[in-house]
Amino acid sequence: NAGVMQNPRHLVRRRGQEARLRCSPMKGHSHVYWYRQLPEEGLKFMVYLQKENIIDESGMPKERFSAEFPKEGPSILRIQQVVRGDSAAYFCASSPGTSGTPYNEQFFGPGTRLTVL
Amino acid sequence: TQLLEQSPQFLSIQEGENLTVYCNSSSVFSSLQWYRQEPGEGPVLLVTVVTGGEVKKLKRLTFQFGDARKDSSLHITAAQPGDTGLYLCAGKSGGSNYKLTFGKGTLLTVNP
Repeated sequence: NAGVMQNPRHLVRRRGQEARLRCSPMKGHSHVYWYRQLPEEGLKFMVYLQKENIIDESGMPKERFSAEFPKEGPSILRIQQVVRGDSAAYFCASSPGTSGTPYNEQFFGPGTRLTVL
Repeated sequence: TQLLEQSPQFLSIQEGENLTVYCNSSSVFSSLQWYRQEPGEGPVLLVTVVTGGEVKKLKRLTFQFGDARKDSSLHITAAQPGDTGLYLCAGKSGGSNYKLTFGKGTLLTVNP
């Protein structure tokens, strides 16, 4: 049973470029969450998506950041015009939704480490 | 904004010792999860607790949820070098069944 998959594992971008981070949820999971982990900080919730729907993007910066989870294919977190402050580890998690495990537990991928030069 | 405070921030012990790490908040959580994260990897779920006063055991790890569901502890018996890692607690509150609030973690090092 494959877990949550993220790619790339490491991504280097120069200021002003775009970063695209991909996440494939666990088999049978239809809910995807993105979190960001800054150095010396805990993981912070960014966005919650279901297939073709953004449910809650309250943790995502209003500008330059966007997320999608299309009907087919992985979820994408897109950061436009990256700045040095975007350097962080970005984690994707998935869950089966409320009809799955009793507690709707989230299972995390290995993360994408973004470095902005 | 709910905050989860974890203590200690760092812990270095010898193999075979026992230890307890804590997760505290002023907020009530509907559920609380403990994860372990190794360098360069994502958090791995260890346990979920939902009932005040609940105690769960996972081999040498014992997890407890406070009666008021505001705090939790993780006790490790006879620690081994393989237990080394960052232990994170995360909770759901405010009626949300999906948004996890994480503590900053306890970095445990078990020396052989």
